[in-house]
Amino acid sequence: DAGVTQSPTHLIKTRGQQVTLRCSPKSGHDTVSWYQQALGQGPQFIFQYYEEEERQRGNFPDRFSGHQFPNYSSELNVNALLLGDSALYLCASSAMGGGLNEQFFGPGTRLTVL
Amino acid sequence: AQSVTQLGSHVSVSEGALVLLRCNYSSSVPPYLFWYVQYPNQGLQLLLKYTTGATLVKGINGFEAEFKKSETSFHLTKPSAHMSDAAEYFCAVIHGSGNTGKLIFGQGTTLQVKP
Repeated sequence: DAGVTQSPTHLIKTRGQQVTLRCSPKSGHDTVSWYQQALGQGPQFIFQYYEEEERQRGNFPDRFSGHQFPNYSSELNVNALLLGDSALYLCASSAMGGGLNEQFFGPGTRLTVL
Repeated sequence: AQSVTQLGSHVSVSEGALVLLRCNYSSSVPPYLFWYVQYPNQGLQLLLKYTTGATLVKGINGFEAEFKKSETSFHLTKPSAHMSDAAEYFCAVIHGSGNTGKLIFGQGTTLQVKP
């Protein structure tokens, strides 16, 4: 079992560009959550996908959007990048719609916006 | 709304000494509480969780935490620190009723273990 995988591991973009991050959940998991972790901070919830729909959203602007595919993998898209979007983006997967089931985290994608 | 406060952004202990990482929560409903560890350049790994039942929760790598409702605390302890325990530790609470699994994290505590 490969666990939760994310790609790419590192990414450098410039202000105003768009970026897509990808996540493959742990085998058997159907729920994917995305978190943003700024340097020196705890992760902040962006949104969660279940059954290909956004089920819950954190306090992030509409520039942040996502998608879940039938195979449960997920993408995070960020448009019109700002310097403040520089962070580690973490994907977490869980089973049976999430809830109190353990969330397994991937290694993250480090996004740098110049 | 739920929130988590971790007291002390950096904690330094000697190898073999007691580890104590402090976490206080705020919640209008019975909380579900978690401790995660993050090693450099890695994702988060669950150490332990409290949902209901026994207030003393044992986790992996010799860590344990005690839920104290009267003190709104969920401090993480380990009797004897090992060099491999050096990492970032996050306390978290589940938002709302727990049905959606949205985690609210504290700011984190960096644990340094000195030889």
